[in-house]
Amino acid sequence: GESVGLHLPTLSVQEGDNSIINCAYSNSASDYFIWYKQESGKGPQFIIDIRSNMDKRQGQRVTVLLNKTVKHLSLQIAATQPGDSAVYFCAENLPSGQNFVFGPGTRLSVLP
Amino acid sequence: DTGVSQDPRHKITKRGQNVTFRCDPISEHNRLYWYRQTLGQGPEFLTYFQNEAQLEKSRLLSDRFSAERPKGSFSTLEIQRTEQGDSAMYLCASSWRDLGDTEAFFGQGTRLTVV
Repeated sequence: GESVGLHLPTLSVQEGDNSIINCAYSNSASDYFIWYKQESGKGPQFIIDIRSNMDKRQGQRVTVLLNKTVKHLSLQIAATQPGDSAVYFCAENLPSGQNFVFGPGTRLSVLP
Repeated sequence: DTGVSQDPRHKITKRGQNVTFRCDPISEHNRLYWYRQTLGQGPEFLTYFQNEAQLEKSRLLSDRFSAERPKGSFSTLEIQRTEQGDSAMYLCASSWRDLGDTEAFFGQGTRLTVV
């Protein structure tokens, strides 16, 4: 199938370890953020979102942290599994809400 | 399956031909987005609809690209006189927007190859 993100930054982690994927977003006025996971040949899959009035949100095995001061977003994945291997994108949305702007992506590779 | 559906999944066309892609959003969503994605890049916004109104189309790549959502439900993206540079994955997403945004869900995309 199609390979997504051939030349993206890669994060390699051992199975069972925690992963931290970082994203610098571009617009200080953005008020809504989403992390997506994309596997080869598939569309982006929603993982977790956060609004700008929060600095942390937890889901199942995932946590998103938002630092508005430095325009930084991170995704933490606990107990990383082989099925977590994919390209991860952060997306930001302005209050006008016209569209989601995607970051460049990070490839997560889970080592056995 | 109540997710976003795109058709076809793959399209191979000769340069100069016209192609049309279809997107069926999640039924209760009022917003529909079209994105393009090339290898090694994140999705690139093209256009979006709020119900049947196309509210932003300045990001469409050229006048060869057009999109419609005639009844506020499904949408089509047409590329006329295709060029090799149009080869990419075309993604559709939908969301609900009222007072604020909610998560946008993507379809599996249409992979276009122009030969």
